[in-house]
Amino acid sequence: DAKTTQPPSMDCAEGRAANLPCNHSTISGNEYVYWYRQIHSQGPQYIIHGLKNNETNEMASLIITEDRKSSTLILPHATLRDTAVYYCIVRGGAGSYQLTFGKGTKLSVIP
Amino acid sequence: IAGITQAPTSQILAAGRRMTLRCTQDMRHNAMYWYRQDLGLGLRLIHYSNTAGTTGKGEVPDGYSVSRANTDDFPLTLASAVPSQTSVYFCASSRDRDSYEQYFGPGTRLTVT
Repeated sequence: DAKTTQPPSMDCAEGRAANLPCNHSTISGNEYVYWYRQIHSQGPQYIIHGLKNNETNEMASLIITEDRKSSTLILPHATLRDTAVYYCIVRGGAGSYQLTFGKGTKLSVIP
Repeated sequence: IAGITQAPTSQILAAGRRMTLRCTQDMRHNAMYWYRQDLGLGLRLIHYSNTAGTTGKGEVPDGYSVSRANTDDFPLTLASAVPSQTSVYFCASSRDRDSYEQYFGPGTRLTVT
């Protein structure tokens, strides 16, 4: 599976959009980009995933560049409850199904 | 409420003792996983099971064993605990092995002294 690079920490003002970047320059054609988050002391929680098209759900939006070498997770209106570690994970298609968690980005939402 | 339960919540264990961490899910998921999380290292996969009756090794399987006698339960056993196994252990499940979403339990905090 391709490796990912994320900034170790970021701050965001409450109510503003949080944009979390992820670099995955060695991603291959059948690998998906996944985002999970982990709120302090809890188990990780799935947020969103995508292959090449931008995706949106009730939690967030995922923007993947055209060359697929990087992506951005967008939390449109960050709240204090969004303070967590966010993990960007690249995982292959059928047959390569394990999630490999890196160190993630610690997002702090500031009042 | 459907989900994953883990027991115990926390445990202090003497080195050399045997310990089984329990994990139960009621979502009828086929695949289950055990991860450990250490400070600064993220989550690492210990063992997994794609379906009842089968298991596989993850990234850090040494010192651990698992069994999957039925769909709901996936216990993790430390045969002879060592201090380096001090960690937070998370159990997870997914509908199938290549499902996009894994559901995680609340974790077990284990300290080996």
